Amino acid sequence: AQKITQTQPGMFVQEKEAVTLDCTYDTSDPSYGLFWYKQPSSGEMIFLIYQGSYDQQNATEGRYSLNFQKARKSANLVISASQLGDSAMYFCAMREAGTYKYIFGTGTRLKVLA
Amino acid sequence: GAVVSQHPSWVICKSGTSVKIECRSLDFQATTMFWYRQFPKQSLMLMATSNEGSKATYEQGVEKDKFLINHASLTLSTLTVTSAHPEDSSFYICSANWRDSYEQYFGPGTRLTVT
Repeated sequence: AQKITQTQPGMFVQEKEAVTLDCTYDTSDPSYGLFWYKQPSSGEMIFLIYQGSYDQQNATEGRYSLNFQKARKSANLVISASQLGDSAMYFCAMREAGTYKYIFGTGTRLKVLA
Repeated sequence: GAVVSQHPSWVICKSGTSVKIECRSLDFQATTMFWYRQFPKQSLMLMATSNEGSKATYEQGVEKDKFLINHASLTLSTLTVTSAHPEDSSFYICSANWRDSYEQYFGPGTRLTVT
C-alpha cells in the first residue's frame, strides 16, 4: 500500500535561516508524483512544489526546493531564508498510482521565530 | 488561473438538519472533484471522488447516505451533510482537477459547526 510519512510534528526555525521538512514515501509503482502544500491558520491549501518520479532534477520554486532522494524514497522540502509568514502547517502528498487521488502525510507545523 | 471556490466558508447548523456545501471551479472545467474532511490539527482525509455525470466513489468508512455528493456539471460539485450531528463538525475542503492534470486545485474550505 502507498504511504506518506512525516515524522516531525513540529519544527522551529529562526527567521532568515533555512529549514528542512522531512517526508518519506512508500510505493511500488514506478510512476508517481510528490507534492508539498502549505496550510496557514486560515485553512486554505497552498501548492508549493511538485516532483515527478521521472524528473531528473530536484524541483525548485523560489525559496522552496525539494530534495528528492529516489533510492531512499524521500522528498524533503527545503525552505530557504525563512520568513515569519512561513509559519504554517506543511503537508507532503503523493498522487496515488493510476488515479488522481492524493495521499497526505500527517503534516509538520512550522513556527518561524523573529 | 485554476481557482476553486467553496460556499459557504462557514456554517452553523442545528443537530438533525442538513447542510449543503458547494464547490465550484471558476476558470476551468473540472472532470474530477474531491471532498476532504479535516479535524483540528490533523491531516486531510479523502471522503469521496466525484466525476461529472456519474456517481461519487466513497472511501472506505465514509457513509454515502450521510454525505451526499452530486457533481452535476463540470464546474460544480455539492456535498450535503444529512441529519448532521455534533460529531460531523469539521473543516470540509474540496479540490478539483481536469483530465491529465497532475495537480489538484483546492478550495478555501468550509468550517461546519453542528450544535
